Amino acid sequence: AQRVTQPEKLLSVFKGAPVELKCNYSYSGSPELFWYVQYSRQRLQLLLRHISRESIKGFTADLNKGETSFHLKKPFAQEEDSAMYYCALHTGGFKTIFGAGTRLFVKA
Amino acid sequence: DTGVSQNPRHKITKRGQNVTFRCDPISEHNRLYWYRQTLGQGPEFLTYFQNEAQLEKSRLLSDRFSAERPKGSFSTLEIQRTEQGDSAMYLCASSLGTEREAFFGQGTRLTVV
Repeated sequence: AQRVTQPEKLLSVFKGAPVELKCNYSYSGSPELFWYVQYSRQRLQLLLRHISRESIKGFTADLNKGETSFHLKKPFAQEEDSAMYYCALHTGGFKTIFGAGTRLFVKA
Repeated sequence: DTGVSQNPRHKITKRGQNVTFRCDPISEHNRLYWYRQTLGQGPEFLTYFQNEAQLEKSRLLSDRFSAERPKGSFSTLEIQRTEQGDSAMYLCASSLGTEREAFFGQGTRLTVV
């Protein structure tokens, strides 16, 4: 079955602390994985994708096929990082499967 | 705003009524997607268009749901005989060619009372 699991519904950290948002996937093919973010009162938007291997707003994510994970990390959280984060799996067709999301709250 | 536009933003309807939502994608984008999002969940795929052709439909899309994209530009999603379980945020997204990045609209929030 194709599935994306984000085990934490809420993650609360202090400003300046490291952040790791967990994502595990289940897919028998070659996965394409993404992180989308939704800031308060804004639309869902792409944060980063695994094939780009880029760092966006200080966030990185590495695809670990052995552990079927794509965790999102940032060494020092900022208050403006507070948002809803969704891990997403693009399958071989045209369907993208989203996780249930993790709300990140960065405390001052 | 040159992004994906959805109308209306909010819709309250009585159970049993029909509703129609509209999505205007980014103008050069040939791919268009509809998703449904309920409280505490991520977006769930409903259907996909490439130009005017509807190429994929989720099993979530019952026969009360129909989507069209008549000229390969804007799209409509109609729900007939609405039920309370249809209450959700309906999201539209578009993308260009083989680009996997989808650009989302702000959604239409449907409340069935």
